[in-house]
Amino acid sequence: GAGVSQTPSNKVTEKGKYVELRCDPISGHTALYWYRQSLGQGPEFLIYFQGTGAADDSGLPNDRFFAVRPEGSVSTLKIQRTERGDSAVYLCASSPQGAGGHNEQFFGPGTRLTVL
Amino acid sequence: DQQVKQNSPSLSVQEGRISILNCDYTNSMFDYFLWYKKYPAEGPTFLISISSIKDKNEDGRFTVFLNKSAKHLSLHIVSSQPGDSAVYFCAARPGGSYIPTFGRGTSLIVHP
Repeated sequence: GAGVSQTPSNKVTEKGKYVELRCDPISGHTALYWYRQSLGQGPEFLIYFQGTGAADDSGLPNDRFFAVRPEGSVSTLKIQRTERGDSAVYLCASSPQGAGGHNEQFFGPGTRLTVL
Repeated sequence: DQQVKQNSPSLSVQEGRISILNCDYTNSMFDYFLWYKKYPAEGPTFLISISSIKDKNEDGRFTVFLNKSAKHLSLHIVSSQPGDSAVYFCAARPGGSYIPTFGRGTSLIVHP
């Protein structure tokens, strides 16, 4: 399919471990976003890439969270020293362009992270 | 401090009737509003949007109404169908921004 894909679909880890979550955006989309959705909440913004660079990382909760997009396509969200409070669904979205206008974002199915 | 509020966690509607989902916002800088629909185990899907220069936008069975003075918007789904059963998220963003703020969602159940 031509949609946004995310791997793995589920990740169970132990407290203190390191995890990587992968996002493959729609081909040709220059903008890529990461969100976190906790139980009973709406998606909360984490970080936004325009091309290879992080244009806005103001939503990252602390320095345990980091994301990269080295070639302007696939992105990886990295979480160090995971905590139980990091358990959530991590959503990735992409769009053809960045700021303003009718900037429809296309979401992937998410990765459900569980930290035991 | 929730800037986008969906005060009804759930809504149950009979098939064929109209579904009305409500959303309130507090940030007066918001000028673009979106509704997303989400099925279980899938990501949100864009449904319909409205700019603050309009008070109504219609797309098929879906209409969004915006009342700027009340900082309120609503999504109307006519002839509701069981396939419309999903969680609906309201989202809003300031002009020129690319990052929407989402509400907590309303779970719509359309029963036969």
